[in-house]
Amino acid sequence: ETGVTQSPTHLIKTRGQQVTLRCSSQSGHNTVSWYQQALGQGPQFIFQYYREEENGRGNFPPRFSGLQFPNYSSELNVNALELDDSALYLCASSSQAGVDYEQYFGPGTRLTVT
Amino acid sequence: GDSVTQMEGPVTLSEEAFLTINCTYTATGYPSLFWYVQYPGEGLQLLLKATKADDKGSNKGFEATYRKETTSFHLEKGSVQVSDSAVYFCAFFSGGSNYKLTFGKGTLLTVNP
Repeated sequence: ETGVTQSPTHLIKTRGQQVTLRCSSQSGHNTVSWYQQALGQGPQFIFQYYREEENGRGNFPPRFSGLQFPNYSSELNVNALELDDSALYLCASSSQAGVDYEQYFGPGTRLTVT
Repeated sequence: GDSVTQMEGPVTLSEEAFLTINCTYTATGYPSLFWYVQYPGEGLQLLLKATKADDKGSNKGFEATYRKETTSFHLEKGSVQVSDSAVYFCAFFSGGSNYKLTFGKGTLLTVNP
């Protein structure tokens, strides 16, 4: 069974640019959630996708957007990057098909905005 | 609003010492509670969970009991090892249908030999 994978591992962007981060969910999982973890902080919920539709959003501006594909993999897009967007971006997959809603996290993408 | 308050770190212990990391939460409804661990340079791993009052989650010698009356979920381990050095996050599923996790700020644990 393959776990959650994310790419790239690290990324450096300039303020104002756009970035796309990718996540492959664990086999059998139909839900993907994205979290932002700033240095020294706990992860903050960005949004969740269930069966290719957004299923809840945290307190993040519209320049944070996402997609989920038919194979349940997902992308996080951030436009007009700001310095404060520098963080570890974590993807988590889960299954809402049963009672076990545990979220399984990937290793994250470290984004640095200069 | 929903929130998690964790014991401030960093926590430094000697090997075989007793560990407690306090966690309290403010949530709507009846949340499921979790402890996650993050080793240096890695993502989050689920350490243990509890889904109803008085449930005790346990794994790898760590334990935490869901205390509804005090809205707490303190993490304990009787004898820590150097390999337990990591950041520990308390979290819960918030209300609503999207099962988003609300996390505390994390507690850095360093165990010295």
